[in-house]
Amino acid sequence: GAGVSQSPSNKVTEKGKDVELRCDPISGHTALYWYRQSLGQGLEFLIYFQGNSAPDKSGLPSDRFSAERTGGSVSTLTIQRTQQEDSAVYLCASSTGLAGEQYFGPGTRLTVT
Amino acid sequence: GEDVEQSLFLSVREGDSSVINCTYTDSSSTYLYWYKQEPGAGLQLLTYIFSNMDMKQDQRLTVLLNKKDKHLSLRIADTQTGDSAIYFCAESTTSGTYKYIFGTGTRLKVLA
Repeated sequence: GAGVSQSPSNKVTEKGKDVELRCDPISGHTALYWYRQSLGQGLEFLIYFQGNSAPDKSGLPSDRFSAERTGGSVSTLTIQRTQQEDSAVYLCASSTGLAGEQYFGPGTRLTVT
Repeated sequence: GEDVEQSLFLSVREGDSSVINCTYTDSSSTYLYWYKQEPGAGLQLLTYIFSNMDMKQDQRLTVLLNKKDKHLSLRIADTQTGDSAIYFCAESTTSGTYKYIFGTGTRLKVLA
């Protein structure tokens, strides 16, 4: 389909390892967003991209988190030296412009053991 | 800082109306949204309202906005078991610093 896709759908990793989460937005969507949803919690806004640029990185929980977007399309969220508190579902969304409807991917469920 | 609050749970009987409430703090919000999240799935936009509107109706859904009290509600008429999900309200603004903030979500359970 033409929706937002994320990979992997599930990731189990050992504490201290690095993980990379991928998001493929809808073609032509210039804005891309990353959120974290912990069990029983709302959505925590992590970062957004307008094109390849991320104007505000203050939502990232720590310096172990980084994100990039290339070619105005695919984005990767990297978590270094994972900790158990990083366990959550990481959701990606894209939109045609800021403040419009966001189309969400199915998420990546990350479990850090 | 800006905050969006919702009650955590709501239980209704099939066929009744459901009303999910949301309060927000930022008066500069441009748009307010309602998203639905079904189990194991991502969020799906149900409806949205511009901040200069009071009401929007879309089939079984009615959104009411009280800008003075910063209160948003979603009414679902004739609630069905398929409406059982988590409902998130969200606000966004592009004036000044961009932001898009979600509430904690309300889990709606529809009893047959």
